[in-house]
Amino acid sequence: GAVVSQHPSWVICKSGTSVKIECRSLDFQATTMFWYRQFPKQSLMLMATSNEGSKATYEQGVEKDKFLINHASLTLSTLTVTSAHPEDSSFYICSARTPWAGRSSYEQYFGPGTRLTVT
Amino acid sequence: GQNIDQPTEMTATEGAIVQINCTYQTSGFNGLFWYQQHAGEAPTFLSYNVLDGLEEKGRFSSFLSRSKGYSYLLLKELQMKDSASYLCAGLDSNYQLIWGAGTKLIIKP
Repeated sequence: GAVVSQHPSWVICKSGTSVKIECRSLDFQATTMFWYRQFPKQSLMLMATSNEGSKATYEQGVEKDKFLINHASLTLSTLTVTSAHPEDSSFYICSARTPWAGRSSYEQYFGPGTRLTVT
Repeated sequence: GQNIDQPTEMTATEGAIVQINCTYQTSGFNGLFWYQQHAGEAPTFLSYNVLDGLEEKGRFSSFLSRSKGYSYLLLKELQMKDSASYLCAGLDSNYQLIWGAGTKLIIKP
């Protein structure tokens, strides 16, 4: 149980275009979803936290107008990278949390990640 | 400030035992997680400790000392597939995970 999917798993786009990444909790309701970015050989960097039905909370230094997050339902959150540039190329990972499952109410279940390459 | 410290890289031999240490400083404390991440993949859950002591799960064990702000992950009978990064993360008073930079574990035959 507690499976999180992400789509697409990889995407190549041209500079200046926008890319949408979907994160779905398949067998549980995720009250909170997280979006991370990870550059090669570096650790996870939290970008934003979103609760269903409310605006996302962005970490310091993350542009909310560039990285649009929508958490419209308890099973779906989307991250849209607007006007992407080569420096946005990274591994984007979502995770979901639910108080009703897991060893800890605060355990995060991770999606498989999306590798974005901007040319 | 909040901080999680763990070694950047460790090397061990197949079949041996390795201990990965983690020290934490968080605003409040609601537990500590260890995750495993293979290159190019998402992290997977290994363990969660909220009380002092050792939790054993097969070849992997995790220890916590809240008074010392210290945890370790112990891997026994190392296998080549254990080559990965191991992430330590503390849960603070706001129930936010504070992530360490990860320890890259290299297993040699």
